[in-house]
Order: sequence, then structure tokens, then C-alpha cells
Amino acid sequence: QVQLQESGPGLVKPSETLSLSCSVSGASITSDYWSWVRQPPGKGLEWIGYAHYRGVTNYNPSLMSRITISLDTSKSQFSLKLTSVTAADTAVYFCARERDYCRGDSCSFDFDYWGHGTLVTVSS
Amino acid sequence: DVVMTQSPDSLAVSLGERATINCKSSQSVLYSSNNKYYLAWYQQKAGQPPKLLIYWASTRASGVPDRFSGSGSGTDFTLTISSLQAEDVAVYYCQQYRFMHRTFGQGTKVEIK
Repeated sequence: QVQLQESGPGLVKPSETLSLSCSVSGASITSDYWSWVRQPPGKGLEWIGYAHYRGVTNYNPSLMSRITISLDTSKSQFSLKLTSVTAADTAVYFCARERDYCRGDSCSFDFDYWGHGTLVTVSS
Repeated sequence: DVVMTQSPDSLAVSLGERATINCKSSQSVLYSSNNKYYLAWYQQKAGQPPKLLIYWASTRASGVPDRFSGSGSGTDFTLTISSLQAEDVAVYYCQQYRFMHRTFGQGTKVEIK
């Protein structure tokens, strides 16, 4: 059974860097796309980006200048770094697997497994 | 980026009745090579992460009850709950994965009338 678990500080000061990790069990992070999605309190879902084992990354253009997503295969973890945070970055951050699921000549890239989410508050 | 617009923002349906949620994409999410619509639906209950319900616009994910169905074509898609159960109270999101930058709809809240 695939499980994802976020970890990291719940409080970050403005202008500092938000750093989160996601531990993966039950699946290899050398396949599929390992993603971050966030949800401000009471609001909808915002895709942040993903990283793939082959070195491919894909980021939300609105956040691209501040984001790094990377994989650590030795630990079966992936991480998110978001620099220069402001109050607008306060959100529940979810890690998720964007699966590369193919059946015949058709592939789907939906989010099939999610972590429970971790609330990160940006405040001094 | 592709904008996903859901309607309504919320709806209240009696137990056992049908619930219908619409999702419109600003560009076609059809992948012409395989004639599949690259659209997914998720259910998010309070305090929980989203759960995948539907992919390829109409294929139910493993373990999803058959009262949930997805349909649509072009830029207009629908999630239907044929007979609303109490456990279906949640916010539902559509999401496109046709284009490089993934985008979600704003969500539709489903409640019991």
C-alpha cells in the first residue's frame, strides 16, 4: 500500500524559506511524478509542481522563481523548498503522486495517492 | 494556463437524489493521439486529502462506488452522483492534466438538503 507522509516546520517567518519533506513507502520514487499541492485555509487546491527521477521538474509558473522540488532516492523522500515566503503562502501543503499510468496506448497522469497534509503558517 | 471553472460553487441535495457538478475548461483537454480527455475528479472530505474518483473524464478509480460517474466532451464535463449518500458530503474538484501546468477547478461543495 502506497503511503506518503509530509514533515517539516509548521511555522515559518516572512522572507524565510519553507522546507518540507515527503516520505514515501510502498512505491519506488524512481518512477512516476512526485508532486506538491497546497490549499490555503478555506480555499481550493493549487498545484505547486513535480519532480521526476530522470531529472525532470515542472513548476507552477506563478511560483517558479521561488520553488525547488527534489528527490532523494536513498531515503525514498522528496522535498519542497519555497523561498521568500509571505503570509499568502500560508496553507496546508500536500505531497502527492502523479502517477504515470498507461493502459494500451493511453496514459493518465492523475494524483492517485496523497499525504494527509501539513499546515504551514507564515508569521513573525 | 488552462482555467477550470466549476458550477455551481455549492449545492444541497436530498439523500437518494441526484447531484450534478459541472466543469468547464478554457481549452480542450482532449489528447488527440488516443482520444482521451485528460481530466480527473477528486473528492475532499473535511480535514482529509483529496481522493481520486474519476480519470480520463469517465473512468472510475479503483474502489469508487458506481453511483459516481463522469461524462463530457470538448470543454464541458460533468460529475454525477446518482443517489446521494450521507458520506458523499464533500468538496469536489476537477483537474486537467492535458497541459504541462496542472490546474484545478475552484471546487463545488455538496451538502445534504
